[in-house]
Amino acid sequence: GAVVSQHPSWVICKSGTSVKIECRSLDFQATTMFWYRQFPKQSLMLMATSNEGSKATYEQGVEKDKFLINHASLTLSTLTVTSAHPEDSSFYICSAPGLAGLSYNEQFFGPGTRLTVL
Amino acid sequence: AQSVAQPEDQVNVAEGNPLTVKCTYSVSGNPYLFWYVQYPNRGLQFLLKYITGDNLVKGSYGFEAEFNKSQTSFHLKKPSALVSDSALYFCAVRTNQAGTALIFGKGTTLSVSS
Repeated sequence: GAVVSQHPSWVICKSGTSVKIECRSLDFQATTMFWYRQFPKQSLMLMATSNEGSKATYEQGVEKDKFLINHASLTLSTLTVTSAHPEDSSFYICSAPGLAGLSYNEQFFGPGTRLTVL
Repeated sequence: AQSVAQPEDQVNVAEGNPLTVKCTYSVSGNPYLFWYVQYPNRGLQFLLKYITGDNLVKGSYGFEAEFNKSQTSFHLKKPSALVSDSALYFCAVRTNQAGTALIFGKGTTLSVSS
């Protein structure tokens, strides 16, 4: 199946700094990618939809100026948490939909990035 | 708006017994339904999906799920649980529009005792 990678897998930063998380589709093109956030032992909450070549679409309640999304190419989307604060500490997961062939209708998830803001 | 309900926070079963993890959904039009499993500090692993066709879907690791349109349910089942099945299970739904995001249930922790 298709593979989605994330980098870094974990990051610790000081409050007020910015952190960039990369999401890559390794063996397929992804014109769309999704960013989710997961708090401990809770569900995945959709934050935004990343669209290659256009602006991201944010879910209600998600601050677009705080969570900057850039879909630079057909295989890369980045999420930048700006001026991070302890409440931004979470597990961030990206995914990309399969749009053709056997992957059609499936969604492929990255391994996640654990962000801890001190 | 789409939504998924997993009514049980935790399901406990003994190894070798059958298990069921419940899921009900709400979506406009025909639903695309999925089950994923998550181990601690790991990403999601795909188990199975229902798109169309046979209501009984078989997936990875011996899991299966039955789509019931009248009850809007998609319960996950396995005839004989293993201790290694202990994990967090998510039911998810999306519309039939290609490329749309999944909406997840809150998750159910499955604990299989030896």
